[in-house]
This record gives sequence, C-alpha cells and structure tokens, in this order.
Amino acid sequence: GAVVSQHPSWVICKSGTSVKIECRSLDFQATTMFWYRQFPKQSLMLMATSNEGSKATYEQGVEKDKFLINHASLTLSTLTVTSAHPEDSSFYICSAARGLGETQYFGPGTRLLVL
Amino acid sequence: QKEVEQNSGPLSVPEGAIASLNCTYSDRGSQSFFWYRQYSGKSPELIMFIYSNGDKEDGRFTAQLNKASQYVSLLIRDSQPSDSATYLCAGRGSNYKLTFGKGTLLTVNP
Repeated sequence: GAVVSQHPSWVICKSGTSVKIECRSLDFQATTMFWYRQFPKQSLMLMATSNEGSKATYEQGVEKDKFLINHASLTLSTLTVTSAHPEDSSFYICSAARGLGETQYFGPGTRLLVL
Repeated sequence: QKEVEQNSGPLSVPEGAIASLNCTYSDRGSQSFFWYRQYSGKSPELIMFIYSNGDKEDGRFTAQLNKASQYVSLLIRDSQPSDSATYLCAGRGSNYKLTFGKGTLLTVNP
C-alpha cells in the first residue's frame, strides 16, 4: 500500500499563534513530499515541494518565512504556519512520493481555522 | 501559465449510466495525467493515471488521452451513487509538479 497520514485532522487557533502540521508516510519511504492548500470550492494549489534532507522549494507567492517546511526523515514532513491569521484558514493537504517522478499519494488533510 | 481546465458542472447522471468527465490542458510539456476523486471534506484519492495516447481501462473507469488536442477524459461506466464526488484532473509536467483543474462535481441519482 501507500498510506499517508496527517496530524492533526483539524485545528482551531487564535490569530498570531503558530500551528504545526505533520505528514507521515506510513508504509513507504517518501523522498519527496508536497504541501497543498485548498480553499472552499477551489482546486488544490501547490505551496511547496520538499525533498528529504534539503530545503523546500516554494511556489511563487508563498511566503517561506510564514510557512516553514521541514523534511527531516524519509517518513515525516512538517508544515508550520507561523503567526497565523484568519486568511490562512484553509484545508492543508500533503502528498508523498517515493521519488520526484513517482505517483503522489495524498494524506487526509488538515482543516485549519484561525479565529 | 500552465492551466488545466475542467467543466465545473455539476454533472448529473442516473444510476447505471455512463458519466463522461473532460479536461483540457495548456502545457504541451505535460507528460502524465491523473484523475483524482474527492469526496466533500476529504482529500483526493487517485483513480488512475495515463501518459500514452489512447485509452486506458481499469474496472469501470476508462481514461482517454489525446495529446494532439491536449484533451483528457474519464468515463465511468455503470455509475453508482457512491461515485458522486468531485473529480479532479491533474497534469504533471517536466518539473514533476501536479497542476490541478478546479474539478467537476458529479452526482449519480439512484
């Protein structure tokens, strides 16, 4: 199989706080992980690509100092939303792939609500 | 700008009918195409992918790719109410990144 988990599944926080989201590949080693964001009735938008052991590559318009990504092992990547604001409220979804050109398997997503 | 376009729908078909979902893409460098199903409030799940011109069948699903027309489609035979979901088309370019369409909402009526 190719199972990807995310934690937490949902989080509510106050404006100005930081939130960390974990993405784990449970039964395979993921050299590459991707972080997406999806607003209501919109499609998935790629935020960044992370490769194990190296710095993440961010898409144009995504603030790397606000969305901190760490891919410290072949099974774990984390996304930290720093100083979250209400406009950061969204559905954050990670995907993991065995390699850069391999099929992406999606996690169940994390719903973030910033009050 | 690389774009993937889908009819937003909603598409409504009766149970047992064939549902046809369409997608066009602008990036001729796209090499592979993926169809994902997304239930409301859930993350996408992979249905199938295609990278060669022609048809690819997997159970009740058939993906079709026409690179000359930059067109991808998904046919669902014998549609079931459980197939009701949003279907996302995605293209993968030479940079290995997926570009998603906005999705087509499919409703299968019992």
